Formats: sequence, C-alpha cells, structure tokens
Amino acid sequence: NAGVTQTPKFQVLKTGQSMTLQCAQDMNHNSMYWYRQDPGMGLRLIYYSASEGTTDKGEVPNGYNVSRLNKREFSLRLESAAPSQTSVYFCASRHLGYEQYFGPGTRLTVT
Amino acid sequence: DAKTTQPPSMDCAEGRAANLPCNHSTISGNEYVYWYRQIHSQGPQYIIHGLKNNETNEMASLIITEDRKSSTLILPHATLRDTAVYYCILTGTSYDKVIFGPGTSLSVIP
Repeated sequence: NAGVTQTPKFQVLKTGQSMTLQCAQDMNHNSMYWYRQDPGMGLRLIYYSASEGTTDKGEVPNGYNVSRLNKREFSLRLESAAPSQTSVYFCASRHLGYEQYFGPGTRLTVT
Repeated sequence: DAKTTQPPSMDCAEGRAANLPCNHSTISGNEYVYWYRQIHSQGPQYIIHGLKNNETNEMASLIITEDRKSSTLILPHATLRDTAVYYCILTGTSYDKVIFGPGTSLSVIP
C-alpha cells in the first residue's frame, strides 16, 4: 500500500515549456486534490475532483488544467510554464468525511 | 478563503504542553475541525479531528468549545520533532473542497 505517489519529485522547466505532474492513490478514495505551496506560505488549492469524471476549480486555477483519468489518477498540466508557477506541488486524496492523505510533493522550478 | 484563523507563530519549551488555538466563528453544523501538521517541506500529516466533543489520540488532544467557535490542539509533552507548521481547517461531510490557511509555525525550544 503506497498511499499517494507523485512523479516527478523534481523538475526544472524553461518559461513557456509544458509538463504534466502525475498523482496516483491506491486507497480507493473518491476525492483527489492538487495544492501548491510557495516558500514560507500555506497550501493553496488549485483544483480538486470529487469523483471520477468531475473536476472543480480551487483558489488558484489559472494557468493549470487537470484530468481525472480514473479513480486512481489525477494529473495536473502546465501548458505554458511561467516563473510564478515555481512552487512545491502536493497531491492529496480522501474519502468524503475523512482525513486527507498527501503525497511527498513535486518541486518545480521555472526559469 | 480559509474559514479559520490561527496565530502565525508560537514557541514552546521542550517537555511542556503546546497549546495551539484556532478560531472558526463561522463554522457550520456539519463541519468538522481537522488538524494537520507539516514538518519541513514534507506533505501535511493528519493529527486529529472532532465535531463537538473533545478528542484524544496517541498524538494529541483536541478541545472544542461548547459553541464550536474555537478549538485548541494540545501536544501534551512537546519534543523537538514537534517543530512544524500546524493547520486547523474545517471539512464538511457533504462537500469536497478543502481549503488550508497559513497555519501556526510551532518552534519547540530545548
């Protein structure tokens, strides 16, 4: 039981490049989440998915797209990376009414 | 916006109890109070949660006021490894959106 896994762990992009952050959970949770955390700040919700086939915007969705590929996987895509998207990205999952489980994070630098 | 307010930072002497307050004056009847902590830059870790009764587990105790407008997380014997950012958040049983605030940065001092 691996919990929540994220790939890659580290990534450096140039401005304008695109990439997809991958997240998978093996706990059969319905809900999945993407957060970003800037240095010295709290977590901000980017997008979340209440169930397979549904996604909703969070606090800071601009510049991102998401796909809930199936119940296990929830990916986050940056179509044209900007330096302002330099951050640590955390994926989480939960059953409705229970606690969230977080992945180890992806550290993204955009130059 | 986060529906909770916490002090930005606190210190606690090693071995003493750490009492972390949280205000949630607009809490709804079906919302639980959840506490998480984040050590260094790891993913947040669940600590405890409650609806209206006080709760205790192997990590901490949670005291919720009778009007449910505030709560306190208690780490009974703080150690250096408890140095972390602690987040108090509200989570409903009928919706999925989970918003974090900036949390409280707890420093446990030798």
